[in-house]
Amino acid sequence: NAGVTQTPKFRILKIGQSMTLQCTQDMNHNYMYWYRQDPGMGLKLIYYSVGAGITDKGEVPNGYNVSRSTTEDFPLRLELAAPSQTSVYFCASTRQAITDTQYFGPGTRLTVL
Amino acid sequence: KNQVEQSPQSLIILEGKNCTLQCNYTVSPFSNLRWYKQDTGRGPVSLTIMTFSENTKSNGRYTATLDADTKQSSLHITASQLSDSASYICVVSEYGGSQGNLIFGKGTKLSVKP
Repeated sequence: NAGVTQTPKFRILKIGQSMTLQCTQDMNHNYMYWYRQDPGMGLKLIYYSVGAGITDKGEVPNGYNVSRSTTEDFPLRLELAAPSQTSVYFCASTRQAITDTQYFGPGTRLTVL
Repeated sequence: KNQVEQSPQSLIILEGKNCTLQCNYTVSPFSNLRWYKQDTGRGPVSLTIMTFSENTKSNGRYTATLDADTKQSSLHITASQLSDSASYICVVSEYGGSQGNLIFGKGTKLSVKP
């Protein structure tokens, strides 16, 4: 299994541009998550999904959108990028409930200039 | 407010030595506590998950302890290796919270020197 994969690894955006961060998992996990990690800070939850067609906001959802049309894919959309969205973004998945092990992707480093 | 505090912020030890990292939390009600290892430029990797009834859990040279009464946890690393250089993150889950309710600490950055 490849586990959780994310693309791209790095990206530089200009203010106001849009982009989609891709996340795919091949473990047939129901639960998927998007986090951002700012320097010296703990991970913050942006959005999560408990299954295809179901998504919910986390702690810091403003400026982002998600969709979950399949079990495998959970893309994160940034509309009108702002410098405050400069961060490292991690996608994660888990099989069932929150007590199960979370598996993280390698991350996407995004810079907005 | 639910919080997870880790100490120290950073730590430098010599290869072969032991070390202990601390985690204090105010999350209530408590569901479980987990420790992750995050190598530079990589995603976190789960080391241990402990529920309320567990007070010790090991994963190779890593041993986590949990005192749910004092809301404290520690991660002990035995006979450190250069590959242990990483950030170690403590994460606490709130019982009955939403599926997204994991509270992450800021991590302890461990450097193991030869």
